[in-house]
Amino acid sequence: DTAVSQTPKYLVTQMGNDKSIKCEQNLGHDTMYWYKQDSKKFLKIMFSYNNKELIINETVPNRFSPKSPDKAHLNLHINSLELGDSAVYFCASSQDRYNYGYTFGSGTRLTVV
Amino acid sequence: GQQVMQIPQYQHVQEGEDFTTYCNSSTTLSNIQWYKQRPGGHPVFLIQLVKSGEVKKQKRLTFQFGEAKKNSSLHITATQTTDVGTYFCAGKGAGSYQLTFGKGTKLSVIP
Repeated sequence: DTAVSQTPKYLVTQMGNDKSIKCEQNLGHDTMYWYKQDSKKFLKIMFSYNNKELIINETVPNRFSPKSPDKAHLNLHINSLELGDSAVYFCASSQDRYNYGYTFGSGTRLTVV
Repeated sequence: GQQVMQIPQYQHVQEGEDFTTYCNSSTTLSNIQWYKQRPGGHPVFLIQLVKSGEVKKQKRLTFQFGEAKKNSSLHITATQTTDVGTYFCAGKGAGSYQLTFGKGTKLSVIP
């Protein structure tokens, strides 16, 4: 069983479209995250939810909106996609927000054309 | 905001040579974590260090946390081709929920 699963794995879409990425974890963890990894492999935190409550909301365009219907799911919706949004988006989870390692999903490679 | 600097950015070694990557934080950390990302893969958690001066070993990998809790290192003894990948350190500031990643060190091992 995959611990943190993201769908889709690949996403190719045109500028201006709206798309969603879904993430689910079956580890019973309280905290989930969205990270963006750019072409230079830099991992940048975007959002974090703890038990459905938003606890980290970094400076990202408001075209990006996370949603956590329950603590096992964290989805990312992106409106009006731009070329610069092309990246790999990783979902991750941890037991709690403090002192535990993160389990990452396999990533969603988003290409905006 | 908190910054985590990691050097070197790239390292090419002959198989069997040792490898070290260094991590420095602009602020005191409550903990530091290390991750490995294979080419085309996702980051995988290796270890967490919490105590000042802490040293932990995993087979050929040795992790250290500095006395001031602002720096850390990962040392690999006698590298193998399976060690190829990007190694990231990631630090959490005192009282912070946020884990800030370094830019990673990409290790290539020449057989």
